[in-house]
This record gives sequence, C-alpha cells and structure tokens, in this order.
Amino acid sequence: DGGITQSPKYLFRKEGQNVTLSCEQNLNHDAMYWYRQDPGQGLRLIYYSQIVNDFQKGDIAEGYSVSREKKESFPLTVTSAQKNPTAFYLCASSINSYNEQFFGPGTRLTVL
Amino acid sequence: QQPVQSPQAVILREGEDAVINCSSSKALYSVHWYRQKHGEAPVFLMILLKGGEQKGHEKISASFNEKKQQSSLYLTASQLSYSGTYFCGTVGDNNAGNMLTFGGGTRLMVKP
Repeated sequence: DGGITQSPKYLFRKEGQNVTLSCEQNLNHDAMYWYRQDPGQGLRLIYYSQIVNDFQKGDIAEGYSVSREKKESFPLTVTSAQKNPTAFYLCASSINSYNEQFFGPGTRLTVL
Repeated sequence: QQPVQSPQAVILREGEDAVINCSSSKALYSVHWYRQKHGEAPVFLMILLKGGEQKGHEKISASFNEKKQQSSLYLTASQLSYSGTYFCGTVGDNNAGNMLTFGGGTRLMVKP
C-alpha cells in the first residue's frame, strides 16, 4: 500500500530539548512539506523540499530544521529555540508543488 | 498571502445545501479543496486549474472564477459524513516555485 507515515503519533518533550519527527513516503513523490496546525487554526508551512538534498523555509521556519537526504524521508527537528512548539504537525507529499498533497496522520507534540 | 474563507462556520441539517467561499488577493493558477475531520489529517477533495472546467463528484462540486480570484465549494443534500473543517489552498499564477497557501478553514457541522 502506498502512503505517507509519521511517527510517533504523540510526543511529549521537556522544555529545552530538541526532538525529531519522522516522515516517510513510498509514493515516489518529489515534493515534501511540513505544516504546523494549532487548535482551531489552519495549516502553516514550516519547510518544504522539492527535490532530494534541497529544501526551503516556509512561513514559520524559525526554531525548526529539516533534512532531505533520501527521496522517501523528510524528518523535522523541533529545536529548543522554538518558543511555543506544542502543536499538531503534519507532513505531506506531492508529485510536484502544483499537484494535490497527500497528508500523513500527524504527530501531536506537547511540551511539558 | 493567505486566502480568505467564508463563512468561518456553518451548521446544517442533514439534506440541506451549503456553499463555502475562498477568495485571494493575487492571481491564481489553481485552487485546492481539502476536508479535515477532528484530530485527523486533511484529505484532498479536488483541484481546480486556471482555464479548467468546474469539478465535482457525487454531491460535492466546486467552481473557480479566475477573474475574481475566487473559488466556491458546493455541498448539496449534505450528509452527516460531510462534517469537518474545509480548507481551500491556493497556488499563485506566476513563476514556478509557488507553494500552496491554505486558508483559515470553514467548520461545517451537519446535524440529523
């Protein structure tokens, strides 16, 4: 079955700790994205990658970092520099930046 | 720049119709529509391209007015399963590399 997976589903972190969220896809998509969603709000773009070994900042990249060493994988690191990291994080992929995006199930991050 | 959706919320009785609007201040190449159930990932509904035809399947359809940079999503004879938050996403009509930008969402509740 082709799809996009994220792990873990729930993540708890202490203040001052970095944490990495996993995103894997087997759809052979070139483009991958990370979004942040706060309660009752829309989706805000953190980072995106249109091709392996290349990525660009989105609207709210401060305090986050990514890598794209493999086509299938686009992990997101939430660093201690992110002031308010508690949120629902969604990863998505698409054939290219103009096509529909397919979303993973999301990771709910809570900072204690 | 984020597209503006209206209304922000709507409550329907089963079988009633609804229209959700999405408006942008910039020239658009495409408009995407997604539906998100509470706690889940957004699911792609349809995409409307500049110069393309009105899209639809079953009782959900959409239109795209390129001159006004507006799109509308039509839900006819609504079912309980239509409940959720609907997001439009827009891609600007200029150089390549434009990213999908999501609106703030419209919360739809269908009651029996």
